[in-house]
Amino acid sequence: QKEVEQNSGPLSVPEGAIASLNCTYSDRGSQSFFWYRQYSGKSPELIMSIYSNGDKEDGRFTAQLNKASQYVSLLIRDSQPSDSATYLCAVKIGGTSYGKLTFGQGTILTVHP
Amino acid sequence: NAGVTQTPKFRILKIGQSMTLQCAQDMNHNYMYWYRQDPGMGLKLIYYSVGAGITDKGEVPNGYNVSRSTTEDFPLRLELAAPSQTSVYFCASSTTGRGGETQYFGPGTRLLVL
Repeated sequence: QKEVEQNSGPLSVPEGAIASLNCTYSDRGSQSFFWYRQYSGKSPELIMSIYSNGDKEDGRFTAQLNKASQYVSLLIRDSQPSDSATYLCAVKIGGTSYGKLTFGQGTILTVHP
Repeated sequence: NAGVTQTPKFRILKIGQSMTLQCAQDMNHNYMYWYRQDPGMGLKLIYYSVGAGITDKGEVPNGYNVSRSTTEDFPLRLELAAPSQTSVYFCASSTTGRGGETQYFGPGTRLLVL
């Protein structure tokens, strides 16, 4: 079993729809979870971090965490063509104090007009 | 602040050649990381450092070496390039503690080994 696994893509949604990206992780001791966005040919950039069970909202983005189910998701409301990118889920595995992350393989999102 | 900078942007190496990928950050971050990203894949950690003089292996360290003589710089050395090292390499840095775990990435170095 992979340590961090994302739902297979690519994911295609129409403009204005909700895009749902999912991620599961294997280490029950994980405490910190991140969503990075990566445009083609560019470096990853952080869009959301979440540490506690429940929802965290930032503009059109909502991260959801369920530690009991070892599941973290990212919802993008009112999707725009500019949201088209690869979304990487990252998890801080283990009890280290520094930010050593394990990344999922990424989900390619395409938002079509 | 320039953030995290990497040089070169692109390089072609012949099998068996050596090179150093440069990485520097001006945010006074203690932690620095090297990742590689193969096409259609996530990031794999090669090496990381928790401070000047302290480095450790990540998930895929074979064929690479690092050093950290200053807080700012974290070069990655490829000694004998192999085609399997064709990839995009990203350097990242982060600070300490909760809320400081955000990793800031450099623009990447695209390496082709022929």
